Amino acid sequence: EHLVDFGGDVVQPGESLTLSCAASGFLFRTYGMHWVRQAPGKGLEWVAFISYYGDTFYTDSVKGRFVISRDDSKDTLYLEMSRLRIEDTATYFCAKNMEIDTVDYHYMDVWGKGTTVTVSS
Amino acid sequence: EIVLTQSPATLSLSLGDRATLSCRASQTVGNYLAWYQQRPGQAPILLIYDASERATGIPARFSGSGSGADFTLTISSLEPEDFALYYCQQRADWPRTFGQGTKVEVK
Repeated sequence: EHLVDFGGDVVQPGESLTLSCAASGFLFRTYGMHWVRQAPGKGLEWVAFISYYGDTFYTDSVKGRFVISRDDSKDTLYLEMSRLRIEDTATYFCAKNMEIDTVDYHYMDVWGKGTTVTVSS
Repeated sequence: EIVLTQSPATLSLSLGDRATLSCRASQTVGNYLAWYQQRPGQAPILLIYDASERATGIPARFSGSGSGADFTLTISSLEPEDFALYYCQQRADWPRTFGQGTKVEVK
């Protein structure tokens, strides 16, 4: 089970950016997926979740600005980020939702290495 | 949102010591709590889920306990690779939240 997250860049406040996460080694279409971020020198912050059937959830600070989506035909997860703020600067990790015997546990049991987003003027 | 408060912020211990980390929730989360380890420059690793269940491949020296709002991660005898950051995370309610972390450092 392997996740590769990419797409991070340096952008200006107000701009948009899309992160991607390529999955392999597991049946992607049957798992929920998370995005978690970590600002420089700070702790982990859960950002968003998409279920295998497409329901989405977000932390309050990104609602209306970020959209999590998935393309099961490409085994790929996305995070579309718009109206970026300086406080969105972080390493963004995609993570697989833990599942045991088809039961969702909403913990993260496989993680990508992270991709860095820097928002700066 | 459920706030998770971890203590202490830093734990200074020696190889072979027992480490006891605490996570307190602002409201009950039942047993819906996990612990993660994060080494510098790496992604987190799931250690414990549902308060006391060890994740696949996690050594027996890691154990979790607690329910409701008070939880503990115990490392029975510290190995060199255990000096790292540790986070708790709840799945009882949206948004999912993490604690601010406890750093286990070499004394």
